[in-house]
Amino acid sequence: GENVEQHPSTLSVQEGDSAVIKCTYSDSASNYFPWYKQELGKRPQLIIDIRSNVGEKKDQRIAVTLNKTAKHFSLHITETQPEDSAVYFCAASSDYKLSFGAGTTVTVRA
Amino acid sequence: SQTIHQWPATLVQPVGSPLSLECTVEGTSNPNLYWYRQAAGRGLQLLFYSVGIGQISSEVPQNLSASRPQDRQFILSSKKLLLSDSGFYLCAWTRGAENEQYFGPGTRLTVT
Repeated sequence: GENVEQHPSTLSVQEGDSAVIKCTYSDSASNYFPWYKQELGKRPQLIIDIRSNVGEKKDQRIAVTLNKTAKHFSLHITETQPEDSAVYFCAASSDYKLSFGAGTTVTVRA
Repeated sequence: SQTIHQWPATLVQPVGSPLSLECTVEGTSNPNLYWYRQAAGRGLQLLFYSVGIGQISSEVPQNLSASRPQDRQFILSSKKLLLSDSGFYLCAWTRGAENEQYFGPGTRLTVT
């Protein structure tokens, strides 16, 4: 089955700086890669996704890049704000299922 | 638009008691449905998924079971709860194999 690894597990950034989270996957058949943001006590919310026929996608301050050859994808958050503090999960889709990374706790320092 | 409901929102149950959690989706037909569990401070563990009525795939062997009696209804059950069953149970849906997956509000279960 698919195995997704996510790094780092925790990330502390100064407000206004950028944050980068990296994920690798094992199944070359995976071709859909979503990112979720989960605030404390809440459900995970889909924030951005990318498909294998696209190398990069951007939505305001967040962007995702995908390298299918190397089997890794990354989330970039620019101009971080306190409301960006949350746990972020990457995932890869294979056989009707999403395999999730272990999560990255992002803390934005004011 | 589509909406996903879960109930109850919170539940406190003694060890050995039964469990029934319900999830329903509105505004779509023939969704793929998923049950996840999230232990405190941990990641998302896929428990069951279903691509159609009466079809259930289990990801991990444990004392939980799932059923899909109707197209947009997904139920998670247990005959006897264990302490280790405590956690945040999330239902999710998607239209197809590689489409956006959306989570319900979750049920927070504490087994005492």
